[in-house]
Amino acid sequence: GEDVEQSLFLSVREGDSSVINCTYTDSSSTYLYWYKQEPGAGLQLLTYIFSNMDMKQDQRLTVLLNKKDKHLSLRIADTQTGDSAIYFCAPQVGGSYIPTFGRGTSLIVHP
Amino acid sequence: EAGVAQSPRYKIIEKRQSVAFWCNPISGHATLYWYQQILGQGPKLLIQFQNNGVVDDSQLPKDRFSAERLKGVDSTLKIQPAKLEDSAVYLCASSMGLAGDNEQFFGPGTRLTVL
Repeated sequence: GEDVEQSLFLSVREGDSSVINCTYTDSSSTYLYWYKQEPGAGLQLLTYIFSNMDMKQDQRLTVLLNKKDKHLSLRIADTQTGDSAIYFCAPQVGGSYIPTFGRGTSLIVHP
Repeated sequence: EAGVAQSPRYKIIEKRQSVAFWCNPISGHATLYWYQQILGQGPKLLIQFQNNGVVDDSQLPKDRFSAERLKGVDSTLKIQPAKLEDSAVYLCASSMGLAGDNEQFFGPGTRLTVL
């Protein structure tokens, strides 16, 4: 299977919370990144979590890491229309610190 | 601070033609990366430079792709000859050092269409 798996689409109502889930295969991943890509734009690093952490909070973003299950999630509180984008889970795979990207989850926020 | 610059933004060529992409990283960034992003997929690393040396080019199809960073600043990625399956967005990124604690900054990409 793929090294990194994410669901392809998520639709939420403005003001609700969004939760984007990701599973990965490499248990040695040290850095696990979340990137955002808006239409026609490059990728923007949103946040990352170090593998010895269970949770990291940064304003409206909360990252949860279950290292045993190799499961990573990104929660966006009070989702706004401006959050509509593709979100990539990208754990570091192998000995380098290079992120390996999933296929991305398209987040659609409707009024 | 200026971001990562890439040109051209769009390119349309016919199969078997050649094409080159240019990237200017953020000033002072030693590490430069080229990624290929096929429609509907995440970016895939093609090559990583540290200054003007290649760190990782294991995913670069070397029979047709080449990249250089001669003076450790700007970089070019070339495809010769192009195939239909090379249609993708080519993203350049840079970071101060090797990734990990060093954030990668991405350019807007070059969208290549091979007909």
